[in-house]
Amino acid sequence: GQQLNQSPQSMFIQEGEDVSMNCTSSSIFNTWLWYKQEPGEGPVLLIALYKAGELTSNGRLTAQFGITRKDSFLNISASIPSDVGIYFCAGQAQGGSEKLVFGKGTKLTVNP
Amino acid sequence: GAVVSQHPSWVICKSGTSVKIECRSLDFQATTMFWYRQFPKQSLMLMATSNEGSKATYEQGVEKDKFLINHASLTLSTLTVTSAHPEDSSFYICSARGRGLYEQYFGPGTRLTVT
Repeated sequence: GQQLNQSPQSMFIQEGEDVSMNCTSSSIFNTWLWYKQEPGEGPVLLIALYKAGELTSNGRLTAQFGITRKDSFLNISASIPSDVGIYFCAGQAQGGSEKLVFGKGTKLTVNP
Repeated sequence: GAVVSQHPSWVICKSGTSVKIECRSLDFQATTMFWYRQFPKQSLMLMATSNEGSKATYEQGVEKDKFLINHASLTLSTLTVTSAHPEDSSFYICSARGRGLYEQYFGPGTRLTVT
């Protein structure tokens, strides 16, 4: 089946630092979504990407849909303690399937 | 906008009983709803996809007689865990997608503990 490789698995950073994480796939995706999940909560949609090459920002977050349609990255600038959580990438494949394929997540820890 | 609620947020039940979890889209019509299961420190595992008024489509390995899904309206889907056993203890999360949209919006999850 389709798989997304998300890296890094975890990050420990100081407040104020920038963060970058990415997802790669062996197959092409039509849509890339980035979610953040906090303990005991459901994932919250951060950014949605629909076109190859698309670069979208949401506050301090920026994400890009790779030109090859097989990868995406998420950057967080000037991290703050409330950025702590697990970030998941998710892709919707070509072919019209409604299912999302999820990465395994990047656990972010921000030290104040 | 795009708010999804789940009820209950947590439930404890005895082995052999059934538990129903509700998922509601509060401010949009959800033509498709999804049910996921998440184990500690793991990613989300899709259990089934349901379209309003249709039978759910279950992922391979998910017992449809054990996890009953009903999507009776454009704002409500339910997951019933029948004859629950301790191994069914998990975090169950639903998501909803509106007509013509690609994004899935997630509910806050339901923590099920079977004793």
